[in-house]
Amino acid sequence: NAGVTQTPKFRILKIGQSMTLQCTQDMNHNYMYWYRQDPGMGLKLIYYSVGAGITDKGEVPNGYNVSRSTTEDFPLRLELAAPSQTSVYFCASTMDARSYEQYFGPGTRLTVT
Amino acid sequence: DAKTTQPNSMESNEEEPVHLPCNHSTISGTDYIHWYRQLPSQGPEYVIHGLTSNVNNRMASLAIAEDRKSSTLILHRATLRDAAVYYCILRGAIAYSGAGSYQLTFGKGTKLSVIP
Repeated sequence: NAGVTQTPKFRILKIGQSMTLQCTQDMNHNYMYWYRQDPGMGLKLIYYSVGAGITDKGEVPNGYNVSRSTTEDFPLRLELAAPSQTSVYFCASTMDARSYEQYFGPGTRLTVT
Repeated sequence: DAKTTQPNSMESNEEEPVHLPCNHSTISGTDYIHWYRQLPSQGPEYVIHGLTSNVNNRMASLAIAEDRKSSTLILHRATLRDAAVYYCILRGAIAYSGAGSYQLTFGKGTKLSVIP
């Protein structure tokens, strides 16, 4: 199993550009999450999904959108990139609400200039 | 969600035990205590979790105070590979249309340095 994979690893965007961060898991997990981590800080939840077709906002959803059309994929969309979105983005998954372990991807480092 | 308090940083000599403390005085009766760690330039990884009793696994031990207001992650023999940021997290619940989802709220954690 590859676990949780994320692409790209690094990206530089200009202000106002858009992009999609890809996340795929091959563990047949129902729950998936997007977090962001600013320098020297902990992770903050952006969006999460409890299954295909079901998503909901986390702590910091403004400026982002998500979709979940399949169990495996949970892309994160930035429509109008702003410098405040410069961060490292982590995708995670877990089987369901009873599971105690979240599995994290390696992260995408995004810079908006 | 209940909050946790951890020291910003700690140091340990290689091959010695490390005790990483965490205070969570407002923990509720149903909160589980989770520990994750984040190696440099990687995503977090699960270490251990517990509710009331002390727990052991291949990576570490978790000692939970009787009143559950504090806990300690114990690495029995620190190696250079254990240098990471360690997060103590109380697992809370997000209510969503009748279904439940458990988010992890990460603080700044404790940066552990291991000295050769």
